[in-house]
Formats: sequence, structure tokens, C-alpha cells
Amino acid sequence: QVQLVESGGDLVKAGGSLRLSCAVSGFTFSDYYMNWIRQAPGKGLEWVSYISSSGSSINYADSVKGRFTISRDNAKNSLFLQMNSLRDEDTAVYYCARGGLRNSGRFDYWGQGTLVTVSS
Amino acid sequence: DIQMTQSPSSLSASVGDRVTITCRASQSISRNLNWYQQGKAPKLLISGASSLQGGVPSRFSGSGSGTDFTLTITSLQPEDFATYYCQQSYNIPWTFGQGTKVEIK
Repeated sequence: QVQLVESGGDLVKAGGSLRLSCAVSGFTFSDYYMNWIRQAPGKGLEWVSYISSSGSSINYADSVKGRFTISRDNAKNSLFLQMNSLRDEDTAVYYCARGGLRNSGRFDYWGQGTLVTVSS
Repeated sequence: DIQMTQSPSSLSASVGDRVTITCRASQSISRNLNWYQQGKAPKLLISGASSLQGGVPSRFSGSGSGTDFTLTITSLQPEDFATYYCQQSYNIPWTFGQGTKVEIK
């Protein structure tokens, strides 16, 4: 069955960096767009970034543009999010979510999330 | 960015009740509207405004187009008490409604 497992969340100081990973199984990873979506404590969902199946097309929310970098390793069935210059407002549970075979903007499978806490 | 507004923000209902949640987009999004249920991690229930995902019970249904959409749960079950989000997939950045929490009365 489809599984997405995030890791790498931690407590980090404002201005610091963190790298999140998402290990995927149960489907042909290299065929699908992938996304990162976050949820601040007690708040709603915010799309953060997507990457195309080949990695050639990438986009970010304005709130993280220039600070976060999404990448993938299709040989290792893994998705990554490099987060630099972290701010208090980046505190959230970060989910990886499968997109479609095209960039449908629909997220049909989600991981359980990894918590990033940024302290000033 | 397209703003998504859900109502109500929360509701109390009993097992067996019919529940309706509405979602309004700040501009027309055709039928590019998805619904998620969040217990722990979000789960896709409905895509394209009305297409039920595989394995989702038929008591869930979605309707609407343009700017106004609804999610209906007929005969609410104990496992349906959760938070529900709408999300537009018309324009990047993809955006979500603020959520509707369905609680037990």
C-alpha cells in the first residue's frame, strides 16, 4: 500500500536550518508530482512547495520562496525539503503529499507529518 | 491568491444527522475543488467538486461549481467527527479553507 513517512523535524533556533525527508513506498515514485504542506499549531493547512516527477518543475509559496528548497531522489524514492533562515512562523507540522501524474493540485496520499519548532 | 472561505467554522451534530459544509472561492475555480478529512493526517475525500475517492463511503457527497461548493454527509457516523477542509486546485498557490470542525453534540 502507499506509504509516506516524513522525518527530520526538530527544535531549531530562528535563523537556523533543517532538512526534512519523506520516504515513499507502494507506488512508482518517479511518476508523480510531490508536495510539502504544513500546518501551524491549531491552524489550517498551507501548501508550501511542489516538485514535478523529474524534478524539472518546482514552485513555492511566497512565504518560503528564497529560503526553502525542494528536491527529490527518484532512485531512493525520497523527497526532501531544505529549510534555511527559519522563522518563528515556520513552526508547523510538515506533511509530504502525493500529487498526480500531472500537476493536478490534488493531494491523494499524505504522510503522518513531522514537527518543526522554531524558537527565537 | 484565491481565498477559500468555509462555513461554519464548527458545528455540533449527532450520529445519524445530515451535515452540510459550504466553501466559497474568491473567484471562479470551475470545478477544481477538493475536500479533505483530517483526523491525524488529512485524507482526500472528494476531488473535482463531486468525484468520490476510492474507499470513501457513499454518505459523503460534493457539489457545486464556480465559486460555491458544498460537502454533505448524510447519516453522520462516529468516525466522521473530524475537521474538514476544502482546497482549490485551479491556481497556484493551491489554497485551503480554514476548516470546519464537526463535533459530537
